[in-house]
Amino acid sequence: KAGVTQTPRYLIKTRGQQVTLSCSPISGHRSVSWYQQTPGQGLQFLFEYFSETQRNKGNFPGRFSGRQFSNSRSEMNVSTLELGDSALYLCASSLGIQGNTIYFGEGSWLTVV
Amino acid sequence: GESVGLHLPTLSVQEGDNSIINCAYSNSASDYFIWYKQESGKGPQFIIDIRSNMDKRQGQRVTVLLNKTVKHLSLQIAATQPGDSAVYFCAENIGAGSYQLTFGKGTKLSVIP
Repeated sequence: KAGVTQTPRYLIKTRGQQVTLSCSPISGHRSVSWYQQTPGQGLQFLFEYFSETQRNKGNFPGRFSGRQFSNSRSEMNVSTLELGDSALYLCASSLGIQGNTIYFGEGSWLTVV
Repeated sequence: GESVGLHLPTLSVQEGDNSIINCAYSNSASDYFIWYKQESGKGPQFIIDIRSNMDKRQGQRVTVLLNKTVKHLSLQIAATQPGDSAVYFCAENIGAGSYQLTFGKGTKLSVIP
């Protein structure tokens, strides 16, 4: 079955702009979480959604937001982009019960110039 | 805050040898641990997981060992192959209503043909 799908794979934005990234989880998975990966900070948790509700949120500013739709697909948005937001944004999905395996997509590479 | 750490940032092994990648965690409340492999330009790939009520789990060519007494996790790869070259991350989940994974910094494994 298809894995976690993220779009777009690559994008370049200008400082001050906003960006929306999309994630389609594995079929049947109801939990979607987002992570930011940078060389300096490694993999950091952004937020997690289950059945359209945010259950956990990481330590990121309010410019980072997300949502989940009734079909479990998720989007994350970053407003007023800063150079430091350049990163690989990873989406992961699972069945949503603690201890369930969490699978990652290939990520969206965001470059802010 | 508490976090997952790694003893060795880089590891070089001869093809055919066994590899051992170590991870120290400091959160005694963590009850679920995962090892991921990340190749250049790709998202983290699930390798194996273990719950805190176990001390060993085996997969295909991989074994994860958990020592809760000293808060240590290791990944053993048997008969290491060139395709095993990647960065390996350990991640922990504290459970108790949290669906967030906390990642270590990663260990780069290089396999010498």
